[in-house]
Amino acid sequence: EPEVTQTPSHQVTQMGQEVILRCVPISNHLYFYWYRQILGQKVEFLVSFYNNEISEKSEIFDDQFSVERPDGSNFTLKIRSTKLEDSAMYFCASTSPETVEQYFGPGTRLTVT
Amino acid sequence: GIQVEQSPPDLILQEGANSTLRCNFSDSVNNLQWFHQNPWGQLINLFYIPSGTKQNGRLSATTVATERYSLLYISSSQTTDSGVYFCAAPGGSSNTGKLIFGQGTTLQVKP
Repeated sequence: EPEVTQTPSHQVTQMGQEVILRCVPISNHLYFYWYRQILGQKVEFLVSFYNNEISEKSEIFDDQFSVERPDGSNFTLKIRSTKLEDSAMYFCASTSPETVEQYFGPGTRLTVT
Repeated sequence: GIQVEQSPPDLILQEGANSTLRCNFSDSVNNLQWFHQNPWGQLINLFYIPSGTKQNGRLSATTVATERYSLLYISSSQTTDSGVYFCAAPGGSSNTGKLIFGQGTTLQVKP
């Protein structure tokens, strides 16, 4: 069964450093999303992406964040200058117009020290 | 925007017991998903259930869209059922838009 994959599974970085989280959505899906979950809290929406542009973003998704689909398979989330409060699990998700159901990747646990 | 509330927040069961988890949402929805977050943090799709009832093994779910709630039933619980259960509904009118998650129900199944 096709699945969303994410790399790395765990990333440790120092405050102020740039990080890029990578996702490979399910191949025939057209809508892509990033969510984050701070430890012990609920999952929060960050951004959605369709047809090579952002379709919606939350107030969390400020100028420090960017997304890109650099080729036909990868979908990336970049944090330009990480802060301690960016420490969280980051999930990528994708869906197709036909199924509507969102499928989530296994997540990348980001730790900012 | 839509509010999604889950109850109970925590649940402790003995292995073999049955349970019902509830998800209330503040607005009409055309999409409702249930997830299980395992101890490794992965979100596992359980059900996509905008309305009606679905069953998958020991799990089943029912959504009554007109009354704005969904229920997840776990029968004959096993220790591997432990984890956090989330429901999520669309945050806007589009089915392909963001999902709004509830706070989750943390389930612990004791052997």
